[in-house]
Amino acid sequence: DAKTTQPNSMESNEEEPVHLPCNHSTISGTDYIHWYRQLPSQGPEYVIHGLTSNVNNRMASLAIAEDRKSSTLILHRATLRDAAVYYCILPSNAGNNRKLIWGLGTSLAVNP
Amino acid sequence: DTEVTQTPKHLVMGMTNKKSLKCEQHMGHRAMYWYKQKAKKPPELMFVYSYEKLSINESVPSRFSPECPNSSLLNLHLHALQPEDSALYLCASSRGTGATTEAFFGQGTRLTVV
Repeated sequence: DAKTTQPNSMESNEEEPVHLPCNHSTISGTDYIHWYRQLPSQGPEYVIHGLTSNVNNRMASLAIAEDRKSSTLILHRATLRDAAVYYCILPSNAGNNRKLIWGLGTSLAVNP
Repeated sequence: DTEVTQTPKHLVMGMTNKKSLKCEQHMGHRAMYWYKQKAKKPPELMFVYSYEKLSINESVPSRFSPECPNSSLLNLHLHALQPEDSALYLCASSRGTGATTEAFFGQGTRLTVV
């Protein structure tokens, strides 16, 4: 199974951009990269996913390196509500089902 | 409605008790999941149900028994648990189990085994 490596923690200031890196050097060609985040005392929530090209949605952007061995989740303007643990996740094949293999996550602190 | 509802929110049980955790979704999702999460760790997959059939059991001890009575409900029956089973139990659902499927999570049940 491909694994992900993320910094344990990062800090940002409110209204500034945040770049959260993830390394996945053993990713296979068909693996999508998923990002979820978990706010304090909440269940995880989906943020974004992508395969090869950069992706944007209302929450964030995902920049994927050309060799796909790393990716960066970009929060364009951090708010206090973005303080959470951000997980970079790859799938693993298990028979006919694909399950997600969670990394250890990056705990993001946002300063007012 | 994009909610996954888990009950109860908190549960304290003794090691000889039998209890059940419940999970409900009305999004028409055909895949449902149980995860276990210890403090400051990522969620760990326990079970996957696909079209109401158990498709993945991650070698979970038999004191945890999942059940999917219909496409909207998922239960986790607990019996003879150990203190180390204390954790946050998360339920999730998704439209399918494909590579691009977005999963929706409940808020979890905080379980304490005494």
